Amino acid sequence: RKEVEQDPGPFNVPEGATVAFNCTYSNSASQSFFWYRQDCRKEPKLLMSVYSSGNEDGRFTAQLNRASQYISLLIRDSKLSDSATYLCVGRPMEYGNKLVFGAGTILRVKS
Amino acid sequence: SQTIHQWPATLVQPVGSPLSLECTVEGTSNPNLYWYRQAAGRGLQLLFYSVGIGQISSEVPQNLSASRPQDRQFILSSKKLLLSDSGFYLCAWSVGQGGDTQYFGPGTRLTVL
Repeated sequence: RKEVEQDPGPFNVPEGATVAFNCTYSNSASQSFFWYRQDCRKEPKLLMSVYSSGNEDGRFTAQLNRASQYISLLIRDSKLSDSATYLCVGRPMEYGNKLVFGAGTILRVKS
Repeated sequence: SQTIHQWPATLVQPVGSPLSLECTVEGTSNPNLYWYRQAAGRGLQLLFYSVGIGQISSEVPQNLSASRPQDRQFILSSKKLLLSDSGFYLCAWSVGQGGDTQYFGPGTRLTVL
């Protein structure tokens, strides 16, 4: 079983829609989580960190459910510019500074 | 502010040739440094990480090696490239023990023919 699993998508949504991605993790000792955004042929860029139950930044909301071992990312009022691959990332406690990356979920926002 | 540089941006190399990719970080001291590889359509695979000069940890057996000759310089090398070495190579940095937020460089796209 992969340590961090994501639905690869693609999620095709119209502009203005609300879309949610889920990510499950297998290591219950994971301390912190992140969502990164990766545009085609570019480097991943940090979208938000999730240390406790959740985090909100404008149109983006991340929630962490430790009991069920999943993290979600909700995007409201989708923009064309939100089209990208979203990477779910965890940091198991025993891994020190190392992160575990999911393979990513593709989002395509269309006009 | 901190910046991270990688070069070259793209590289096409024949099988069996050597490789040297360079990563430098500015604006921070004693960063943790990482090399990742992302194959087409795949997730990021951690190759090496370093917590200080001369300190390298290898994550997967392979024909690649890494070195950290200076505090903010991280180099990925190979003596003989394989076809399977093709991919997108990303360098990243973080700070502090337990500093888990990593920031990525622009990457090097390597094609081995």
